[in-house]
Amino acid sequence: SAVISQKPSRDICQRGTSLTIQCQVDSQVTMMFWYRQQPGQSLTLIATANQGSEATYESGFVIDKFPISRPNLTFSTLTVSNMSPEDSSIYLCSVEGTGSNYGYTFGSGTRLTVV
Amino acid sequence: GQQLNQSPQSMFIQEGEDVSMNCTSSSIFNTWLWYKQDPGEGPVLLIALYKAGELTSNGRLTAQFGITRKDSFLNISASIPSDVGIYFCAGPRGGGSEKLVFGKGTKLTVNP
Repeated sequence: SAVISQKPSRDICQRGTSLTIQCQVDSQVTMMFWYRQQPGQSLTLIATANQGSEATYESGFVIDKFPISRPNLTFSTLTVSNMSPEDSSIYLCSVEGTGSNYGYTFGSGTRLTVV
Repeated sequence: GQQLNQSPQSMFIQEGEDVSMNCTSSSIFNTWLWYKQDPGEGPVLLIALYKAGELTSNGRLTAQFGITRKDSFLNISASIPSDVGIYFCAGPRGGGSEKLVFGKGTKLTVNP
């Protein structure tokens, strides 16, 4: 399975600022996924990022708030813009399994605290 | 959309005890995935199930894909302190979608 490097692992940010999270994969993948995990909650999909096209956002998430880049098949970034305390969460990137394997792999996550 | 109902929400057990948790849905799933999340880490895949009735083991872990395709369970035998964490069930949304939907998780605490 793919190995994902995600950074930063954690950050404390001032409200109103933006943070960009990076996700690097050790192999080429078609789709990359960004999730949010609010404190004590399950994972919620933010968007799907395909190389060469705009990301597809889930209901409740918009590009202005969570712009995503996908410049190549091994890298993606998620920016959390104009942050408020409600954005304090763990943000995770994930890549699809290979073939018929739905065993998606996750990065170790970015723990964001907005003060 | 499809939802996964996971229970129990939390468990407190003694080391050496067996554990069972389950996941149900009102919709059919063609794949069931069980993940474990350690504190400060991303979820790690434990077991993937692809066929109704399938029973799969991974060390002390055993998971089954329900015959109706609407449920799955995960058992942990002879629990140890490192089993502590949050266990999530997940499955693809269906309709050709590659996107996963997750249960709310079962938080496991193991007392030595």
